Amino acid sequence: EVQLVQSGAEVKKPGESLRISCKGSGYSFTSYWISWVRQMPGKGLEWMGRIDPSDSYTNYSPSFQGHVTISADKSISTAYLQWSSLKASDTAMYYCARHFRSQWLVLQWYFDLWGRGTLVTVSS
Amino acid sequence: DIQMTQSPSSLSASVGDRVTITCRASQGISNYLAWYQQKPGKVPKLLIYAASTLQSGVPSRFSGSGSGTDFTLTISSLQPEDVATYYCQKYNSAPSITFGQGTRLEIK
Repeated sequence: EVQLVQSGAEVKKPGESLRISCKGSGYSFTSYWISWVRQMPGKGLEWMGRIDPSDSYTNYSPSFQGHVTISADKSISTAYLQWSSLKASDTAMYYCARHFRSQWLVLQWYFDLWGRGTLVTVSS
Repeated sequence: DIQMTQSPSSLSASVGDRVTITCRASQGISNYLAWYQQKPGKVPKLLIYAASTLQSGVPSRFSGSGSGTDFTLTISSLQPEDVATYYCQKYNSAPSITFGQGTRLEIK
């Protein structure tokens, strides 16, 4: 089955570090980019950034540049989103999403496969 | 930055109704627009890309149209399982990706 499996919910304190994961299975992990999308409680979707797992090249939204780090380990088909110092405002659901590959095998900037999400709660 | 504005923010319609949701870009984005459906407590699902191309497996009652700055998502005959929040997403100047604020659709 083609899927993205995300790590479980996390409860952290402000200032702590965190890394969450997204493991792809059932497809060639290095053939598709992975993006991370934030959804704060009761709010909409925000694109954070993406990684090309084949070479770990990344792009970030200006809103998230410098606040998070996206990485990948292609040997285990896993992408990561990490924080070095969490804030209460980082409390949200975080989704990983696979970029769509067109019939001409071109990767697009929209998403056809999503993980179930990782809920991150930051509270003192 | 190009802003994406959806309208209405919420709506209530009856089963069988034709429903239209609008997404407006602050600048022209050609047809670089996708639509997603997010049911309550669920993961977003791609419905439409390139403004009007239906993603595989999506019911044909969903359709998209528009180009430039004005786009619409139409549900031709609303079904109970269509209760969800719908988001547009522009991708014309990748990696600058922006979602609309969402439209919450309920059954009357």
